[in-house]
Amino acid sequence: NAGVTQTPKFRVLKTGQSMTLLCAQDMNHEYMYWYRQDPGMGLRLIHYSVGEGTTAKGEVPDGYNVSRLKKQNFLLGLESAAPSQTSVYFCASSPIRTGINIQYFGAGTRLSVL
Amino acid sequence: TQLLKQSPQFLSIQEGENLTVYCNSSSVFSSLQWYRQEPGEGPVLLVTVVTGGEVKKLKRLTFQFGDARKDSSLHITAAQTGDTGLYLCAGGSTGGFKTIFGAGTRLFVKA
Repeated sequence: NAGVTQTPKFRVLKTGQSMTLLCAQDMNHEYMYWYRQDPGMGLRLIHYSVGEGTTAKGEVPDGYNVSRLKKQNFLLGLESAAPSQTSVYFCASSPIRTGINIQYFGAGTRLSVL
Repeated sequence: TQLLKQSPQFLSIQEGENLTVYCNSSSVFSSLQWYRQEPGEGPVLLVTVVTGGEVKKLKRLTFQFGDARKDSSLHITAAQTGDTGLYLCAGGSTGGFKTIFGAGTRLFVKA
């Protein structure tokens, strides 16, 4: 039972390079999320999706784009990486349950932008 | 803007001691979750509380949701080294699908 799988686990980029972070869930969840986690700041929502083909901006969306072409996959793209995007990125998924939003997280992607 | 403030930010104790960590907000939440995160891993759900005043126990961990559903506490009895980790509280709103996370309390239990 894989749950939420993120790839890659680690990546080092140079400023201006682009990359895509992959997230896959096998729990048939409707909702999926991308967060970044920085020391002392907790988890901040970047983008989220409430279903296949839909995406929306979260708290810190600038510099990121997302796509959800299939229900089980949620992709996070960085078109032109900046040092400020150095962080640990977490993907999460959640079943539909009004008012009780239990999230299941992947193991994270540690990204360094030099 | 809903905010969840956790205190303390960092706690270092000896094995066998008791501790309480807090999660406070000025906003009302329909539910509140506690997660634990270990190094190199994603957060894992410990408990969800829904009703104001609700108390849930998970072995040596006791979780309480405030009567007004604005705050919560996590009490650990006789802490063990395996309790070491980052404890995050998270609040959900009625009809919403977004969750607000606190910055976390980092607990270190020494043998």
